[in-house]
Amino acid sequence: DAMVIQNPRYQVTQFGKPVTLSCSQTLNHNVMYWYQQKSSQAPKLLFHYYDKDFNNEADTPDNFQSRRPNTSFCFLDIRSPGLGDAAMYLCATSRDQTSLPTDTQYFGPGTRLTVL
Amino acid sequence: KQEVTQIPAALSVPEGENLVLNCSFTDSAIYNLQWFRQDPGKGLTSLLLIQSSQREQTSGRLNASLDKSSGRSTLYIAASQPGDSATYLCAVSSGTYKYIFGTGTRLKVLA
Repeated sequence: DAMVIQNPRYQVTQFGKPVTLSCSQTLNHNVMYWYQQKSSQAPKLLFHYYDKDFNNEADTPDNFQSRRPNTSFCFLDIRSPGLGDAAMYLCATSRDQTSLPTDTQYFGPGTRLTVL
Repeated sequence: KQEVTQIPAALSVPEGENLVLNCSFTDSAIYNLQWFRQDPGKGLTSLLLIQSSQREQTSGRLNASLDKSSGRSTLYIAASQPGDSATYLCAVSSGTYKYIFGTGTRLKVLA
């Protein structure tokens, strides 16, 4: 089935040790998003890619970076994780909203990051 | 700055009840509003999307309404079942590829 896949599902890292989270999609969607969701909080958009065009939210910390080497894959890099970065990280995709303004986002299962 | 609020934060109902979940937003200039379901430790599943020009959408036992002028949306669930137990999130699109989520309503349907 076409879907959004995130690996790993659970990631444990040490304070300050760089970590990379992975997302892949078989939907061939133009747009990919990364959200951070802390416990009992709303998902917060970190950034999105429209094809290779990177769009950072104004309040996303510099500690968070992203790469999209091709349509199918997108990575979230956390350069120096702090205790406050422990959260669920959700990847989502959507089609081009300028031609399909009513289209929804398709979410992966998330990666739960623990920082020790 | 758009803010999205969901009330109540948690709800527990007996099986078979009809129920209403509420979502409010501060800026009426939206592209669309979506309702999602999130099961514990899982990603989000889209339930209904209402365009800014629409007033409601229906899917099975779910009906979502939108009143842009008052900044409100409701999700109506008919004849609730234990399988409906999950967190329900609303999200407002305030610009192309920009989504603001509420903190959700955690629903428990008791058998």
